[in-house]
Amino acid sequence: KAGVTQTPRYLIKTRGQQVTLSCSPISGHRSVSWYQQTPGQGLQFLFEYFSETQRNKGNFPGRFSGRQFSNSRSEMNVSTLELGDSALYLCASSLRGAAEAFFGQGTRLTVV
Amino acid sequence: AQSVTQLDSQVPVFEEAPVELRCNYSSSVSVYLFWYVQYPNQGLQLLLKYLSGSTLVKGINGFEAEFNKSQTSFHLRKPSVHISDTAEYFCAVSANLIQGAQKLVFGQGTRLTINP
Repeated sequence: KAGVTQTPRYLIKTRGQQVTLSCSPISGHRSVSWYQQTPGQGLQFLFEYFSETQRNKGNFPGRFSGRQFSNSRSEMNVSTLELGDSALYLCASSLRGAAEAFFGQGTRLTVV
Repeated sequence: AQSVTQLDSQVPVFEEAPVELRCNYSSSVSVYLFWYVQYPNQGLQLLLKYLSGSTLVKGINGFEAEFNKSQTSFHLRKPSVHISDTAEYFCAVSANLIQGAQKLVFGQGTRLTINP
């Protein structure tokens, strides 16, 4: 059974640009969550999608957005990139009603 | 709202020695508790979880944790560590919500270093 797949693994962008990260959940998982990991702030929840609907949102500015497609794949978008957006972005998927989340390997975004 | 405090940012231990990584949480609702491990340049791997039932939870790689509701703690233990256990360990909590909504709140992490 394939795990959670995040693409790309590494990304370098310039300040002011926008970026889209992709997450393919484990087959059958319909819940997808996104987290940002930085040395200073640690792991912080961005948002969670279930059946194409955002169910939970963390405390991030509106430049951070996401969506989920009918096949449960999810994308997150960051517009007008800032240096502080440099981080490891992790995606996690889970079954409906399950407490356990499975994480992908992450996308490391560097903003220069 | 939930919060998690990992009491040690770094823990150095000699190989084959026992280790305990401490985690305290706060929440006004019942919660699920987790320990994850992260190796360099990797995502998070679930070590163990407490959902309900027995307060002593056994996980992968010989780790176990004990849920203590009165002390709001969920400490992680291993009786004998190996060099390969060198990694960062995260304690996390999620509210026991309907529909299993996923919103994990993580501690700041404990870097476990095993010395030969």
